[in-house]
Amino acid sequence: GQQVMQIPQYQHVQEGEDFTTYCNSSTTLSNIQWYKQRPGGHPVFLIQLVKSGEVKKQKRLTFQFGEAKKNSSLHITATQTTDVGTYFCAGHNAGNNRKLIWGLGTSLAVNP
Amino acid sequence: DGGITQSPKYLFRKEGQNVTLSCEQNLNHDAMYWYRQDPGQGLRLIYYSQIVNDFQKGDIAEGYSVSREKKESFPLTVTSAQKNPTAFYLCASSIVVGNTEAFFGQGTRLTVV
Repeated sequence: GQQVMQIPQYQHVQEGEDFTTYCNSSTTLSNIQWYKQRPGGHPVFLIQLVKSGEVKKQKRLTFQFGEAKKNSSLHITATQTTDVGTYFCAGHNAGNNRKLIWGLGTSLAVNP
Repeated sequence: DGGITQSPKYLFRKEGQNVTLSCEQNLNHDAMYWYRQDPGQGLRLIYYSQIVNDFQKGDIAEGYSVSREKKESFPLTVTSAQKNPTAFYLCASSIVVGNTEAFFGQGTRLTVV
């Protein structure tokens, strides 16, 4: 079945270092969404990318959607302790928009 | 104050008992979802509903049942047929099923002993 692979599974950084998580889909996606889940919390929507090659920024966060609409990345510049949590990507299959296909998430730990 | 409300936050049940998890939304969303999350795992879809009186099985529907009698409500019953029910259950909603963001409730942590 369709899968969205997300790497790395875990990342431990020093505060101030950069962080990147990557998602790769086995099939073409109509969109990619990113969510953040704080420890003990629930996923919170961050952004949606729809266009091939799209890049969006939210302060220190940069989101990219690949040209083939099969991969995406989230880059955080100069991490802060408030960035701690698990970042999930999720996409809709281009041929079937009914269900979100979720990556397994990247858990980010930040040392102060 | 709009949003999704799940109750209770923590739930304990004895093995063999059915248990119903509540999910209510006042966002006027047509679509609602139930996910299961296990430690260190992603979200797995149990059931989803595109509109009132309609629901579809997700990837791990066995041992679960749902109803959608009202637009605002999408309760999930974890039956005794579910072999490993202890997990974190998340309810979500979106305007429609498809290219729209999902809003999540706070989750219910179910422990079966």
